[in-house]
Amino acid sequence: EAQVTQNPRYLITVTGKKLTVTCSQNMNHEYMSWYRQDPGLGLRQIYYSMNVEVTDKGDVPEGYKVSRKEKRNFPLILESPSPNQTSLYFCASSPIAGLWFFGPGTRLTVL
Amino acid sequence: EDQVTQSPEALRLQEGESSSLNCSYTVSGLRGLFWYRQDPGKGPEFLFTLYSAGEEKEKERLKATLTKKESFLHITAPKPEDSATYLCAVHIYSSASKIIFGSGTRLSIRP
Repeated sequence: EAQVTQNPRYLITVTGKKLTVTCSQNMNHEYMSWYRQDPGLGLRQIYYSMNVEVTDKGDVPEGYKVSRKEKRNFPLILESPSPNQTSLYFCASSPIAGLWFFGPGTRLTVL
Repeated sequence: EDQVTQSPEALRLQEGESSSLNCSYTVSGLRGLFWYRQDPGKGPEFLFTLYSAGEEKEKERLKATLTKKESFLHITAPKPEDSATYLCAVHIYSSASKIIFGSGTRLSIRP
């Protein structure tokens, strides 16, 4: 089944404890992206990647890191999470820019 | 500044009562406009893409249209299972991968 998978789906952590959210797609898509969704603010792009080893900042990249070493994987790293990074995170992949296939989401709470 | 505005924020309809959702945009150059459906706790699901004014796309009870300033998502004789948040997003020329999402319309269909 063609899909984008994210892990973990739910995570509660404490301020400053490094974490990684994994993302993988099996559709051989060139583009991948991370979004966060917050009430009243909608979906905001954190980082995106147009191909292996090619990444660029989205609208809200502060406090996040990404890497694209393989085409299928695009992990999101929070080196020192803070409470304002509590959010619902979506990974997405796309064969062409804009036509995103979203993962199921990761609900992150930073205490 | 590039902007996407959706209205209304929320819409409650009776089953069978047709209506339209609006997505207006102010962007420097439109590459494409996308409609997504999002169910609670899930990732957005792609519905339609429109590229030029006058274009229309249909899927079951949904029809999307595009003008130079806005897009409409018409829903004909809706059913309770059409209840969801509908998001529109625009892909702009000034960036290869930048997609701007609207904040969505929460649609609720009463049986």
